[in-house]
Amino acid sequence: EAGVAQSPRYKIIEKRQSVAFWCNPISGHATLYWYQQILGQGPKLLIQFQNNGVVDDSQLPKDRFSAERLKGVDSTLKIQPAKLEDSAVYLCASSLDVSRVEAFFGQGTRLTVV
Amino acid sequence: GNSVTQMEGPVTLSEEAFLTINCTYTATGYPSLFWYVQYPGEGLQLLLKATKADDKGSNKGFEATYRKETTSFHLEKGSVQVSDSAVYFCALTPLGGSNYKLTFGKGTLLTVNP
Repeated sequence: EAGVAQSPRYKIIEKRQSVAFWCNPISGHATLYWYQQILGQGPKLLIQFQNNGVVDDSQLPKDRFSAERLKGVDSTLKIQPAKLEDSAVYLCASSLDVSRVEAFFGQGTRLTVV
Repeated sequence: GNSVTQMEGPVTLSEEAFLTINCTYTATGYPSLFWYVQYPGEGLQLLLKATKADDKGSNKGFEATYRKETTSFHLEKGSVQVSDSAVYFCALTPLGGSNYKLTFGKGTLLTVNP
């Protein structure tokens, strides 16, 4: 069974530029999560989708971050414009549905904003 | 709100030593508790879990017992190996709601020397 796929693995951008990350969850998984992991901290949930609907985006900085999952499968997370404090690893995870607690994580995208 | 507190790292042990990583939590109700592991260059993987008080989760020689009276979920292993070197995250998700999302601790880096 293929795992959660994310791309790119690494990205370096200048502040005020835009960046997008892509995630392909495990086939058949209805729930998709984006987490932000700042160095030295645990992952923090940014947004959670159930199919193509948003379940929770309470911690997403909506003035600069956006995410979509248009067909209920792949998802993209965008930052525009980026700030230095956005430097982090962005993790995508998926689970069968919102009531299944076990989530499977991708390898993440390491973003460096300079 | 929900929170997880892990012992500060890094932890450095010799092979075959006993490991304990402390984890305590704050949550309303009775959450499910997890330990995730992140090996170098890889994504987060579920190591073990417990969903109710006095449950013991175990996997790969690691164990943790859900202690409601002390709100703890300490990770233990009797004899660590070099291959156990990784970052370990304690996490919880609340039960009873329609939205299961993980709240993580800051992580504990474990290095095992031969």
